[in-house]
Amino acid sequence: KQEVTQIPAALSVPEGENLVLNCSFTDSAIYNLQWFRQDPGKGLTSLLLIQSSQREQTSGRLNASLDKSSGRSTLYIAASQPGDSATYLCAVVSQAGTALIFGKGTTLSVSS
Amino acid sequence: EPEVTQTPSHQVTQMGQEVILRCVPISNHLYFYWYRQILGQKVEFLVSFYNNEISEKSEIFDDQFSVERPDGSNFTLKIRSTKLEDSAMYFCASGVPSGYEQYFGPGTRLTVT
Repeated sequence: KQEVTQIPAALSVPEGENLVLNCSFTDSAIYNLQWFRQDPGKGLTSLLLIQSSQREQTSGRLNASLDKSSGRSTLYIAASQPGDSATYLCAVVSQAGTALIFGKGTTLSVSS
Repeated sequence: EPEVTQTPSHQVTQMGQEVILRCVPISNHLYFYWYRQILGQKVEFLVSFYNNEISEKSEIFDDQFSVERPDGSNFTLKIRSTKLEDSAMYFCASGVPSGYEQYFGPGTRLTVT
């Protein structure tokens, strides 16, 4: 059974710092990995999708990498801003199914 | 930009009552999903739906739950007899093919009293 773990659970940084959020998954047989942002009490906004054949994806100040063989992904946020404060969720779709399996998330707080 | 919409945004119901949560997926999408998130917990998969039938369902999706695409635009989740533990945020999502990017709606907060 696929399990997704995110470390750290919470992170506080001053504005302007570069930071890395970590995601690991137990079964490397995945179709893709998706990173989401969730603001308190709100829905999920898709940030980046990495297909299983890809190593990384970039969007603006965000860069996500995927190492399928080791079951790891990282989300790199450059020059963090207070508006980046949110919970970041990692989720994978296993080759055996259609469902996104989520981690518990990393709650990021960026102070000005 | 097209988006997934959900109604209502918040529903309060009494234990034992039936509820129907509604979703309008993005118009050219073919795969539809329901997830739920109990307060403070992970987002959990409930069911996926393609070509008018369930593709996959989780252990949570028991006989109390059902899904339907009653017309060309709506996708619904029905809970027949709600329990206190059904209180959660319910998210609808849609995607083009399975295994590709899923787009989520804003959610319906269900409170069972």
